Amino acid sequence: GAVVSQHPSWVICKSGTSVKIECRSLDFQATTMFWYRQFPKQSLMLMATSNEGSKATYEQGVEKDKFLINHASLTLSTLTVTSAHPEDSSFYICSPMYRGLQVHGYTFGSGTRLTVV
Amino acid sequence: DQQVKQNSPSLSVQEGRISILNCDYTNSMFDYFLWYKKYPAEGPTFLISISSIKDKNEDGRFTVFLNKSAKHLSLHIVPSQPGDSAVYFCAASAQGGGSNYKLTFGKGTLLTVNP
Repeated sequence: GAVVSQHPSWVICKSGTSVKIECRSLDFQATTMFWYRQFPKQSLMLMATSNEGSKATYEQGVEKDKFLINHASLTLSTLTVTSAHPEDSSFYICSPMYRGLQVHGYTFGSGTRLTVV
Repeated sequence: DQQVKQNSPSLSVQEGRISILNCDYTNSMFDYFLWYKKYPAEGPTFLISISSIKDKNEDGRFTVFLNKSAKHLSLHIVPSQPGDSAVYFCAASAQGGGSNYKLTFGKGTLLTVNP
């Protein structure tokens, strides 16, 4: 159980264009979705938290107008990198969370490697 | 302000021996801790977790120890295998009422198990 599908696994785009990353929870309902970014040889840094049907909460230093998050359903969330620039090149990972009886379950997508040229 | 710290960026161990990965935290609100294994360009893979009401949790070759008073946890892998070679991340969250459950990750420790 707790299968997560994240697409695309890698994408190359031109500077100034937008890229959409999809994250689906295939066999559970994700009440909360976390989006992380990982630069080479660094830790996973939380970008934003979204709850289904609500606006996302962004971490300090993350531009909400640049990284658009949509969490319209309990099984699908998208992250759109708008007007991408080379410094946005990174590894993006979604993390759907499901609420358990005692502790909540954290799952992760397989990640998306974004390269902006 | 780094709330979860993994002070060893790398660790090298001989196959069959024990691997001990350490993690320290500063936020006393953290009450749930997890260890993940990660390969480059892949999502993290869950290994084992521990709640603050316990001081030890074991799953096969993996054991996590929690010392709340020292705000320290460790992951023991016995016996270590070459396939264990990866980056290991420690993560923590506050699951109590009013929290947002977000995970805070350490910087990771690269484990290399030599045959």
